[in-house]
Amino acid sequence: QTVVTQEPSFSVSPGGTVTLTCGLTSGSVSTDYNPSWYQQTPGQAPRTLIYNTKTRSSGVPARFSGSILGNKAALTITGAQTDDESNYYCLLYLRGGISVFGGGTKLTVL
Amino acid sequence: EVQLVQSGAEVKKPGESLKISCKGSGYNFPTSWIGWVRQMPGKGLEWMGIIYPGDSDTRYSPSFQGQVTISADKSSNTAHLQWSSLRASDTAMYYCARHQGRLRDGFNLDPWGQGTLVTVSS
Repeated sequence: QTVVTQEPSFSVSPGGTVTLTCGLTSGSVSTDYNPSWYQQTPGQAPRTLIYNTKTRSSGVPARFSGSILGNKAALTITGAQTDDESNYYCLLYLRGGISVFGGGTKLTVL
Repeated sequence: EVQLVQSGAEVKKPGESLKISCKGSGYNFPTSWIGWVRQMPGKGLEWMGIIYPGDSDTRYSPSFQGQVTISADKSSNTAHLQWSSLRASDTAMYYCARHQGRLRDGFNLDPWGQGTLVTVSS
């Protein structure tokens, strides 16, 4: 079974830059996996940040960007704000209609 | 405004059946995939499956195949997630999400419903 990997936790200082990654236990992530990224704060429904690897969803600040770095999908936050303290999930498309979430990254901004 | 509104919280006993719903508005419901995501208490998001309301084509994650049934009623713009016999381990928040895109290329999940909390306890 395909397992999608994310860093369990990450810390960044306010104003700093952080890159969260999304990989596979077997193989490389490419644009073919149509990676997307979701932000979730406790008690809230997830919010779409990035889809189609690098397209920002409507209303998402420009400090969020998506890319492929090496063999992983990546979400970069440039100029992190305290409001960005959340859980971040990537989603990869495996074909045949099936998608898989990564385990999520808990981002702390302090 | 594109919106998904889910049914309210449920408290059930093990072995009982349950069907929760997700009503779409503001878009052409039959022609857009819609799916379900589970979040167990304190845990991450798990993709369960999707349905195309136009022809009821349904795809399940292997982890959920045979455990739940996803259906849709295009006449009422409503998707459903149902269990025939609940277990305590089904206790979770369940989100529906419109899957924008095509089967060939993949999806963007947007928007999301507000979530339905299902509690299964004796």
